[in-house]
Amino acid sequence: EAGVAQSPRYKIIEKRQSVAFWCNPISGHATLYWYQQILGQGPKLLIQFQNNGVVDDSQLPKDRFSAERLKGVDSTLKIQPAKLEDSAVYLCASSPPGGETQYFGPGTRLLVL
Amino acid sequence: GNSVTQMEGPVTLSEEAFLTINCTYTATGYPSLFWYVQYPGEGLQLLLKATKADDKGSNKGFEATYRKETTSFHLEKGSVQVSDSAVYFCASPLGAGNMLTFGGGTRLMVKP
Repeated sequence: EAGVAQSPRYKIIEKRQSVAFWCNPISGHATLYWYQQILGQGPKLLIQFQNNGVVDDSQLPKDRFSAERLKGVDSTLKIQPAKLEDSAVYLCASSPPGGETQYFGPGTRLLVL
Repeated sequence: GNSVTQMEGPVTLSEEAFLTINCTYTATGYPSLFWYVQYPGEGLQLLLKATKADDKGSNKGFEATYRKETTSFHLEKGSVQVSDSAVYFCASPLGAGNMLTFGGGTRLMVKP
């Protein structure tokens, strides 16, 4: 079974530029999560989707971050404009219907200069 | 509020040493508990889990027992290997919609 796919794996941008990350969850997994992991810390949830609807986006900085999951499968997370403090690893995870266990992708490492 | 707390690292051990990484949680009821491992440059991988009190999760020689009396889920391994060097995260779905709350992570370094 293929795991959660993410791209790109690495991205370097300058502050005030925009960037987008892509995630393809495990087939059949209805729930999709985006986490931000700052160096030396545990992951922090940014947004959770159930199919194509948002379940929780309370910790998403909505003035600069946006995410969508239009067809209930792939998802895109965007940052516009980026700030230095956005440098982190962005992790995507998915879980099956009714399941608690989350399966994580390899992450996208973002460096904002 | 609800939280997960784990011991700070780094933890440095020699190969074949015994490992314990402490994890405690604060929550109402008895949530599921997870240990995830993150190898250098990779995403998180589920290591083991327990879904109810007194359950023991185990995988790859690692074990953790869900102890409701002490609200703990300590990770143990009897004999660590160099390949176990990684960051270990304790987590629990303490938020709405099974949102995982993570501990701060514990870096383990195993020397030959």
